Amino acid sequence: DSGVTQTPKHLITATGQRVTLRCSPRSGDLSVYWYQQSLDQGLQFLIQYYNGEERAKGNILERFSAQQFPDLHSELNLSSLELGDSALYFCASGPLAFDTQYFGPGTRLTVL
Amino acid sequence: AQKITQTQPGMFVQEKEAVTLDCTYDTSDPSYGLFWYKQPSSGEMIFLIYQGSYDQQNATEGRYSLNFQKARKSANLVISASQLGDSAMYFCAMREDTITGANSKLTFGKGITLSVRP
Repeated sequence: DSGVTQTPKHLITATGQRVTLRCSPRSGDLSVYWYQQSLDQGLQFLIQYYNGEERAKGNILERFSAQQFPDLHSELNLSSLELGDSALYFCASGPLAFDTQYFGPGTRLTVL
Repeated sequence: AQKITQTQPGMFVQEKEAVTLDCTYDTSDPSYGLFWYKQPSSGEMIFLIYQGSYDQQNATEGRYSLNFQKARKSANLVISASQLGDSAMYFCAMREDTITGANSKLTFGKGITLSVRP
């Protein structure tokens, strides 16, 4: 158990819908990262937050957004969902910006 | 250009034997970190080992060791005394430590499937 929690574990929804994935980092970790794992793209970095502020963006679609709250938990919002958004979404956390990232169990999103 | 290359499509090893999983990387940053993660069939990503670019010695964590050859830009994972529970997908990843420190994302390879035979 990495200490990073993600909810829900599984999510099944329809095209065009909007969903919110939630992540609670390890106690004391200030950095939160979101990654997407799909069969065709592999593991890709989406976005990073550090102590409430957006630090870096990767291959994140405009339909996706994220935020980190004062209690350091983070949410990833996915809207206007498409079939191709079906993937395993990971949240990871680390103490500072340049530390080992510990991954949560992931949220498996299926868009039908 | 691919930054992390894992070309072995699948590896098989006999229980209790050692196995090496290959990883090569490409970066122009002098400061970077290399990581290995394990992903069992259940899906979670488990951190195994870390090697910093300035570390003089190869990293070790229990049965895991990292064979770091900086000049060759390789960071191979060695698993000693394989166990059935080692059967999983293994990912090599790199973090480029930019001067500004703005982005500490991980870039992953495509992964290698390891199967341990009893």
